[in-house]
Amino acid sequence: AQTVTQSQPEMSVQEAETVTLSCTYDTSESDYYLFWYKQPPSRQMILVIRQEAYKQQNATENRFSVNFQKAAKSFSLKISDSQLGDAAMYFCAYRSGISNFGNEKLTFGTGTRLTIIP
Amino acid sequence: ETGVTQTPRHLVMGMTNKKSLKCEQHLGHNAMYWYKQSAKKPLELMFVYNFKEQTENNSVPSRFSPECPNSSHLFLHLHTLQPEDSALYLCASSHGPNSNQPQHFGDGTRLSIL
Repeated sequence: AQTVTQSQPEMSVQEAETVTLSCTYDTSESDYYLFWYKQPPSRQMILVIRQEAYKQQNATENRFSVNFQKAAKSFSLKISDSQLGDAAMYFCAYRSGISNFGNEKLTFGTGTRLTIIP
Repeated sequence: ETGVTQTPRHLVMGMTNKKSLKCEQHLGHNAMYWYKQSAKKPLELMFVYNFKEQTENNSVPSRFSPECPNSSHLFLHLHTLQPEDSALYLCASSHGPNSNQPQHFGDGTRLSIL
């Protein structure tokens, strides 16, 4: 079974600064997807960024980028130029790349609460 | 507009009540999911439906009964719940197992058991 670990329950960053959230995972599969979701107080889980394991290039989405280290099974999220609206819980998630019924489920970490200091 | 709508947003019920949570998706997806989110625990997958067929039941107690009448609607029927069932219940949808597209989530129903 796959597991996802987020070792930082809480993080804080000064507005306009850069912060990195850590995520490690354990799997025996070679084909999979990794995601970062954001959950603000409004509760909706919003997809921030995703990475296909077969791609060596790190995914980027505007101010958000990842550092994907497949051998180390590490998938950290870097937020540049932090904004007040970035304050939220951030969840790392894993999904198998095998296209079978039942393998599309997401396995989540416990989350990191990010606070932005004005 | 999230594309995945959950009602009610909040629900308080006694342990002997029967209630239902509703989820509707407007994204043309084929798969729908129920997750339970408790404080300081990872999201727990409860049920998965693909094309209206249940493909995953993650050892969920029978006091939770899902129903998926079509690919756009998903219900979670609740009866004789326990205090430890108080949590945020999130619904999600996706294209299904043959797609690399991510899951889209609703805003959740905050459930409190008295």
